[in-house]
Amino acid sequence: EAEVAQSPRYKITEKSQAVAFWCDPISGHATLYWYRQILGQGPELLVQFQDESVVDDSQLPKDRFSAERLKGVDSTLKIQPAELGDSAMYLCASSPDRESYEQYFGPGTRLTVT
Amino acid sequence: QQQVKQSPQSLIVQKGGISIINCAYENTAFDYFPWYQQFPGKGPALLIAIRPDVSEKKEGRFTISFNKSAKQFSLHIMDSQPGDSATYFCAARRRSGNTPLVFGKGTRLSVIA
Repeated sequence: EAEVAQSPRYKITEKSQAVAFWCDPISGHATLYWYRQILGQGPELLVQFQDESVVDDSQLPKDRFSAERLKGVDSTLKIQPAELGDSAMYLCASSPDRESYEQYFGPGTRLTVT
Repeated sequence: QQQVKQSPQSLIVQKGGISIINCAYENTAFDYFPWYQQFPGKGPALLIAIRPDVSEKKEGRFTISFNKSAKQFSLHIMDSQPGDSATYFCAARRRSGNTPLVFGKGTRLSVIA
């Protein structure tokens, strides 16, 4: 069964350091989402890609967060510099296309900022 | 403003019992209502979903009931098992405009023997 892959699964970093997360969506899925999930809360969208283009990044803190999907396949989310409040689970999800309802999530990257 | 309100925050059910989780929404443009199941340390997994053109959808032990006029939908887990212990999230999305899922805050379900 095809799955969304994410790495690393866990990351501990110090405040003010840079950190990057990687996501490989299900093969053929054109739409990719990055969500942030704070402990005890539901996921909240950070950025959405359609192929290599950003569709929605209105909730992405652009002063420190950046995301790219250069070839419209895998994607990288970067935080620089990391802050204590960035500690959360970062989830990647994908859909076959923008009109598909279903979103399939990866296992997430648990980030701890110390 | 929270667009999808979920209750209860936590739920304890005896093995074999029925677990019921409720969600309410405000945006009448929403037309897709999924439920996700999440185990600790894992990503959410799509469990079951419903469109507003039907009032109920059943898949195995899981049933979604949908009340369009009340803008509410609920998840029923029949014959709850300890393996169902997880956090459940309701969500909603409107198809037009390529919008993301909006999640509730989650319900932590514990099924005890």
